[in-house]
Amino acid sequence: AQKVTQAQTEISVVEKEDVTLDCVYETRDTTYYLFWYKQPPSGELVFLIRRNSFDEQNEISGRYSWNFQKSTSSFNFTITASQVVDSAVYFCALSEALTWGKTGRRALTFGSGTRLQVQP
Amino acid sequence: GAGVSQSPSNKVTEKGKDVELRCDPISGHTALYWYRQSLGQGLEFLIYFQGNSAPDKSGLPSDRFSAERTGGSVSTLTIQRTQQEDSAVYLCASSLIGRGGRDTQYFGPGTRLTVL
Repeated sequence: AQKVTQAQTEISVVEKEDVTLDCVYETRDTTYYLFWYKQPPSGELVFLIRRNSFDEQNEISGRYSWNFQKSTSSFNFTITASQVVDSAVYFCALSEALTWGKTGRRALTFGSGTRLQVQP
Repeated sequence: GAGVSQSPSNKVTEKGKDVELRCDPISGHTALYWYRQSLGQGLEFLIYFQGNSAPDKSGLPSDRFSAERTGGSVSTLTIQRTQQEDSAVYLCASSLIGRGGRDTQYFGPGTRLTVL
């Protein structure tokens, strides 16, 4: 069974602070995908990043960076110099990585989310 | 291009009534998913369609829930004899699964269902 844990329920920071959102996962799959989604107050889930389990290279995209550590089953997300527009609920998610033609469960298993509030 | 669309955006119904929720996936996406987001349960998978394969219904909470996908595109989620615990936001997602498919799910805006 798959499980995603986001232990931080809510984080409040002041604008321009750096903030890290933690994500720990459990899976028996040998290959899998990890995701981060953002849910702003408007409600729509916005895709941020997908990481393959066989690629442990960290990634940076502007103010966002992701640290994937297979040894600790963690996929943490850091926002540098946070802005008010970053205020949202952030979800970490996990799915089995299935190759073409292979059937299986592609559904996402989500963590409970971390609500980030960035104060001006 | 157009993203995933869902209708209606809000639905208020009385307990015991049936409701239908519609999802229009991104054009060309072969896979379609339904999830439910509620305060107590977070984001839960309901059902998944891929091409002509039998759907994965393993997340449906009861036999009052059903879904179909017509012509490999639009999907309808039906809840019969609604109960108050069915109140939630129902989210639809689609993804492109293929030889080069990224299998990343893109979500629609959701339908907020309120059962009185």
